Order: sequence, then C-alpha cells, then structure tokens
Amino acid sequence: EPEVTQTPSHQVTQMGQEVILRCVPISNHLYFYWYRQILGQKVEFLVSFYNNEISEKSEIFDDQFSVERPDGSNFTLKIRSTKLEDSAMYFCASMGPARDGYTFGSGTRLTVV
Amino acid sequence: DQQVKQNSPSLSVQEGRISILNCDYTNSMFDYFLWYKKYPAEGPTFLISISSIKDKNEDGRFTVFLNKSAKHLSLHIVPSQPGDSAVYFCAASAVRETSGSRLTFGEGTQLTVNP
Repeated sequence: EPEVTQTPSHQVTQMGQEVILRCVPISNHLYFYWYRQILGQKVEFLVSFYNNEISEKSEIFDDQFSVERPDGSNFTLKIRSTKLEDSAMYFCASMGPARDGYTFGSGTRLTVV
Repeated sequence: DQQVKQNSPSLSVQEGRISILNCDYTNSMFDYFLWYKKYPAEGPTFLISISSIKDKNEDGRFTVFLNKSAKHLSLHIVPSQPGDSAVYFCAASAVRETSGSRLTFGEGTQLTVNP
C-alpha cells in the first residue's frame, strides 16, 4: 500500500526559531497538501500545491509559512519565527490525478516552547 | 468555519451492532465526501468516499449514505468491532481545477465499540 511519509514524527523548537517539516508524497500523485490540527480542534487546511506552485491557501497560511518541492520527491513546509500557537499536528497529504487516493501521512507533532 | 459539522462528539455501541455516524454540511458546492478514521498520534486513514452523483456507496462493513437535499451524510458500520474504536472524521470537497480538492473537515466523532 503506497503511503505518504512525514519526518520528523515529533519536533520541539524554541519560540522564534524556524522549522522545516518534510513529506514524501506518493510517487505518482500530482496534488499535495498541508493540514494542521491544534489539540482539541478540527483538522484545518493550510495550503495546496500543484504543478510546482501554490494553488490555494487558507487564511492561516500567511507570510510565516512557505512550501517547496525542491527535488521532485520531497514536499516541505517551512514555518519561520515560530510562535507558541503554532504547536499542532501537521499533516501532509497527496492525491492522484484521477482525484483518487487522497492519502494522509502520519503527521509531525510540532511543539513550540 | 462551520461548513461541515458532526454534532455528536462521541458514540458508544456494543460489538456486533450497527454504528451510525452523522455529518451535515452547508456548502452546496461540495460534491465529494469522505470518511476518515483516526487514531491518536496518527494521520487520518481513508475509509470510504461518495460522489454527489450517488446516494450510497458500500465497501465491506462500511456504507456511506448521502442525502443531498438535506445536506446530510452518514456512515454505517455493521457489524461493529472493538477495533473500530477511533475518531471518525467526515470531510467534504468541491472540485477546483487547479488545487484538486481542498478538504473541509468536521469536528470528529469518537466511536467506542464495547466488547
């Protein structure tokens, strides 16, 4: 069963530091996403990425955030100048060209201290 | 953002009985609906989906029903098993040409199946 791989599984960072969350989507997928879930809240959409550019972003995804697909396999989420409220589970997802197989990774738990 | 709502935060059923999880939505542009199961510290795992052109989709023990006029969908699990105990999320999307499908999630329902 193809899967979306996320690393690290847990990241602890000091407030104000930059973090990069990494994802390897399923190889033949074309659409890539980041979501987050703050403890006790809904899973929220952050950003979608298609054809090497951001195709949609939510109001959460401000200038503090950026995404990149640097080498055709990895898909990264960078969070600059982290804040306490950035602490959450961050999920990467990918989807195939036929709008099939919308698959999530197991998540990165980000803790900002 | 209340576009997708799961009004029951928890549900408890006996093993072997039917579990029915409900979900309501408000955005009439949604045309594709998914159910995910989630264990603590793991990502959502896809269970079953349904397109708005259908009113029912079945996969093994899982059946999803869609009532477009009521903007309501439900997930039936029968027979329920203790291993089904998890949080179940309803999600919805609308086709967008470039972004694929941004999912909007409900709050989740914690299902507990008692042996």
